[in-house]
Amino acid sequence: DAGITQSPRHKVTETGTPVTLRCHQTENHRYMYWYRQDPGHGLRLIHYSYGVKDTDKGEVSDGYSVSRSKTEDFLLTLESATSSQTSVYFCAARRGSLDGYTFGSGTRLTVV
Amino acid sequence: RKEVEQDPGPFNVPEGATVAFNCTYSNSASQSFFWYRQDCRKEPKLLMSVYSSGNEDGRFTAQLNRASQYISLLIRDSKLSDSATYLCVVEYGNKLVFGAGTILRVKS
Repeated sequence: DAGITQSPRHKVTETGTPVTLRCHQTENHRYMYWYRQDPGHGLRLIHYSYGVKDTDKGEVSDGYSVSRSKTEDFLLTLESATSSQTSVYFCAARRGSLDGYTFGSGTRLTVV
Repeated sequence: RKEVEQDPGPFNVPEGATVAFNCTYSNSASQSFFWYRQDCRKEPKLLMSVYSSGNEDGRFTAQLNRASQYISLLIRDSKLSDSATYLCVVEYGNKLVFGAGTILRVKS
C-alpha cells in the first residue's frame, strides 16, 4: 500500500466557508488524485497531479482547487463550500501511469 | 455514452454459486484495466488487474476482449465475504475512470 492518509475523516461545515482536505502518502508515488463519490454517480475525478506543482482538472473540477508543493501531500480546497459538495472524498495515488491506484480511507464532508 | 458501463445489479446469489459481471468501455486506446472491490462505507481496493490473455487469482478470473471493448469478472464458489460492490476501471491517459459498480450479495 502507498500508506495514504486523509484528514480530516469527517467534517461538517457551513455553506460559503472554505474547506481544505489533506492527502498524505509515504511511498513517493508520482501520481495523486482526488475523487468524489456520490450515490448514482460512482467515483468522479476532481483534480489530479502528476508531480510537484503539476496538476490538471478532472471532470468535476468546478468549485475546487488543488495544490501539490511536496511529493507526499496533495491538498484539495473547496473555495466556497456549497451543499452540492456534500460527498465522500477519496484521495488516491499510484506509482506509474499503468499501475492501479491505492486509496485513502476517505473524508465524509457535509455542507449545511 | 458513459466511458465505462456496468450493470448496477444487485446480483443476489447463494453461497457456492458462480457469478459473472460484465463491463464495457468506450475508448479503444485504453491500455490498463482493473477490477476493484468496495465494501460499504469503505475505500475501493484493487482486486485484480485485467490482462489481454486473461488472468486468474484463486476463485476470481478476469477476461478482456479488446475487439468488443468488454471486460468480465467471474467469481467461483461465492462466499458470504464476497458481498460488496465491484467496480470496473479503465485507464484513460494518466487517469482511471470508474464504472458505477455492480452490487453482489451472497446469501447463506
